[in-house]
Amino acid sequence: ETGVTQTPRHLVMGMTNKKSLKCEQHLGHNAMYWYKQSAKKPLELMFVYNFKEQTENNSVPSRFSPECPNSSHLFLHLHTLQPEDSALYLCASSQDDGGAYNEQFFGPGTRLTVL
Amino acid sequence: SQELEQSPQSLIVQEGKNLTINCTSSKTLYGLYWYKQKYGEGLIFLMMLQKGGEEKSHEKITAKLDEKKQQSSLHITASQPSHAGIYLCGADAGGKLIFGQGTELSVKP
Repeated sequence: ETGVTQTPRHLVMGMTNKKSLKCEQHLGHNAMYWYKQSAKKPLELMFVYNFKEQTENNSVPSRFSPECPNSSHLFLHLHTLQPEDSALYLCASSQDDGGAYNEQFFGPGTRLTVL
Repeated sequence: SQELEQSPQSLIVQEGKNLTINCTSSKTLYGLYWYKQKYGEGLIFLMMLQKGGEEKSHEKITAKLDEKKQQSSLHITASQPSHAGIYLCGADAGGKLIFGQGTELSVKP
């Protein structure tokens, strides 16, 4: 595998379920990101990790819980979600979280539907 | 907070025609990225612009950052069905990447 991979690609869950999204990058990067993309809205940054440490939490509700066990893996644990949380969740990685001049590589996304 | 506005929001063109997508920022741009996204998939990096007046090309796609660094344009020459998708501009806003809402391009054969 190369690049950034995400599993599962599609997920349907009830509001009382607990599930996890997984992201893995094979690029040797140190920073990883979770984004949410809802229909007709700009891509929203959720979390940033740099060298396994969380450096950004963009006021995300606690029903979303990220985990970064190492620089190659990033998880998003989901529990008691709401239907409005249905969206495409994208993971990205970059060399580090240095902002403007730091190209991010994106995974294919997980399409989440909350019933 | 900084915002990026893309225009048009959607575009349908006949194959072979040229087109332009604009990205306007509410603040000065320091590093402007263009990405392409196929529906329901991840973003593919196209190019990055840093300096005012900078222009980059990749195959039939050209992007430019204007001198005052608050707007970028993406121009596609002789469009093909393979160009169809959603084009997003992204920019650094205080150390994190923000995006425009995207421009959905359809190319009719």
